[in-house]
Amino acid sequence: GAVVSQHPSWVICKSGTSVKIECRSLDFQATTMFWYRQFPKQSLMLMATSNEGSKATYEQGVEKDKFLINHASLTLSTLTVTSAHPEDSSFYICSALGLAGSTDTQYFGPGTRLTVL
Amino acid sequence: AQSVAQPEDQVNVAEGNPLTVKCTYSVSGNPYLFWYVQYPNRGLQFLLKYITGDNLVKGSYGFEAEFNKSQTSFHLKKPSALVSDSALYFCAVRDSGNTDKLIFGTGTRLQVFP
Repeated sequence: GAVVSQHPSWVICKSGTSVKIECRSLDFQATTMFWYRQFPKQSLMLMATSNEGSKATYEQGVEKDKFLINHASLTLSTLTVTSAHPEDSSFYICSALGLAGSTDTQYFGPGTRLTVL
Repeated sequence: AQSVAQPEDQVNVAEGNPLTVKCTYSVSGNPYLFWYVQYPNRGLQFLLKYITGDNLVKGSYGFEAEFNKSQTSFHLKKPSALVSDSALYFCAVRDSGNTDKLIFGTGTRLQVFP
């Protein structure tokens, strides 16, 4: 139980294009999902918190117009990196908090490696 | 301010020996503490958590952690290490504000040698 998937697992794109990453909770409903970014050999940096049906809450320093987050249902949140540039290259990880059962534990997706050329 | 510290960047241990990965925290109020493991190019896997109750918490893959309020620590332990335990381990504490956010430590790389 408590499985979170991400798609795609890796993506390479040209500078200036947009990339969408999906995060799905497969066997539970997630009231809240989180998006993190991880640089090599570093810890996770929280980018934003998304709640189903409402606007995401972004952490200080994260550009909300560049990193668009949509939480359209209780099982799906998407992160769109708009007009991507090489400095956006990173490992993006999502997590989900459950609606029932263990609502105090974040379960993480496998991550998406984004490379912007 | 709330924080989590993992004082060791890397821990080396021989297979079969006990292992400890250290974590200390600083929070206001009662802490919700978590341990996660990350294998290369993968997301984080939940190992165990302390919310309330017994100070010794047992989790996945034979890991356990001991909550010590007086020392504000939550060290991860395993009686007998396996080579397959080699990975990056993160300690985290839930933000005591009403946000459900996690505050992560910097991570400790565990290397188990055969």
